[in-house]
Amino acid sequence: NAGVTQTPKFQVLKTGQSMTLQCAQDMNHNSMYWYRQDPGMGLRLIYYSASEGTTDKGEVPNGYNVSRLNKREFSLRLESAAPSQTSVYFCASVSGQGGSPLHFGNGTRLTVT
Amino acid sequence: AQTVTQSQPEMSVQEAETVTLSCTYDTSESDYYLFWYKQPPSRQMILVIRQEAYKQQNATENRFSVNFQKAAKSFSLKISDSQLGDAAMYFCAYRSAVMGKLIFGQGTTLQVKP
Repeated sequence: NAGVTQTPKFQVLKTGQSMTLQCAQDMNHNSMYWYRQDPGMGLRLIYYSASEGTTDKGEVPNGYNVSRLNKREFSLRLESAAPSQTSVYFCASVSGQGGSPLHFGNGTRLTVT
Repeated sequence: AQTVTQSQPEMSVQEAETVTLSCTYDTSESDYYLFWYKQPPSRQMILVIRQEAYKQQNATENRFSVNFQKAAKSFSLKISDSQLGDAAMYFCAYRSAVMGKLIFGQGTTLQVKP
């Protein structure tokens, strides 16, 4: 059981380049999330998808777009990367509301030069 | 909007001793869930313990326990008999029963000294 799979694990971009971070889960979860982790700031929510076909902005959505391709996959796109987007990105999923814990991928370390 | 605050950026504990990590949160909701996650250097996010707000009894998982004070909006994590493998960053998190988003605190880095 793979859980939540993120690709790539590491990426280096130049300012202005674009890229898509991929996330897939095999647990039949309804909700999926994208977070970024920066030193001293914890994990901050970028976008989330409560169910297939819906997406909503989180705390820090500027500079990002998302696609909930199907129930399994939720991708995060940087159209024009900026140094401020250097961070570690986590995808997570959960079956529903309430006390179910989120399951996280192993993260993508992105550096924008 | 809900917020979660961890006021201790770093803590250290001697192996086999007990340490408490602090967390406070702000919400106007009555139904919610609180979590502690551990992040070792591998970057993996590992659930440590979970507390339902409607339960008065504090959650316990082996050497990990919480002190949940709903009126004070406080949710601290106690680690007993600390082990070297407990060294990690610990995040407190809040999840509304309605909205479902998980909101994190800033994290506390725990060092365990042999």
